[in-house]
Amino acid sequence: GAGVSQTPSNKVTEKGKYVELRCDPISGHTALYWYRQSLGQGPEFLIYFQGTGAADDSGLPNDRFFAVRPEGSVSTLKIQRTERGDSAVYLCASSQGSGDEQFFGPGTRLTVL
Amino acid sequence: DAKTTQPPSMDCAEGRAANLPCNHSTISGNEYVYWYRQIHSQGPQYIIHGLKNNETNEMASLIITEDRKSSTLILPHATLRDTAVYYCIVRGGSNYKLTFGKGTLLTVNP
Repeated sequence: GAGVSQTPSNKVTEKGKYVELRCDPISGHTALYWYRQSLGQGPEFLIYFQGTGAADDSGLPNDRFFAVRPEGSVSTLKIQRTERGDSAVYLCASSQGSGDEQFFGPGTRLTVL
Repeated sequence: DAKTTQPPSMDCAEGRAANLPCNHSTISGNEYVYWYRQIHSQGPQYIIHGLKNNETNEMASLIITEDRKSSTLILPHATLRDTAVYYCIVRGGSNYKLTFGKGTLLTVNP
């Protein structure tokens, strides 16, 4: 089937607003990951889901960031009270199991004005 | 996971082999070497991984030194579409995270 998809591809918002970024993993993949990539840097790990539960959220920068995966498939990354420093490309990846090859989506470019 | 060191940039002529080096001198016995690449404005793409033995697939070859302290990714006949940032990542077998460095920007020139 299709690869990992992410929507929207671009999101421009104002400082202080709330945003939601969506990830549709490859069908059947139980593991899902969110990464964040700032300009000129490699992606940085944010959070990992195994099924519906967040197995590791140690990469979330602060409590304005939250992610859910209620049915073990689609995941939403939620950012409250956005700041200019949150501007980055947010990447989602999925894998069949936790140690398997990760397939990445194209990312959502978030710009906070 | 062990840290990796890669040159920031490399150039290669189209049709020639591209050899991308990576140092990982603190790698542990159960850690794998993974290579991903990221073409501009796309998500990273898995290329290949290995533990001890050399590996080859349809995209590339991975040569790991006997002491496992370094490796080389080989693209046998580079094309313009291979221009990308290449990331070398060391990852434990049970570790789900990928820890990316800054990678090597490979530019394939016509």
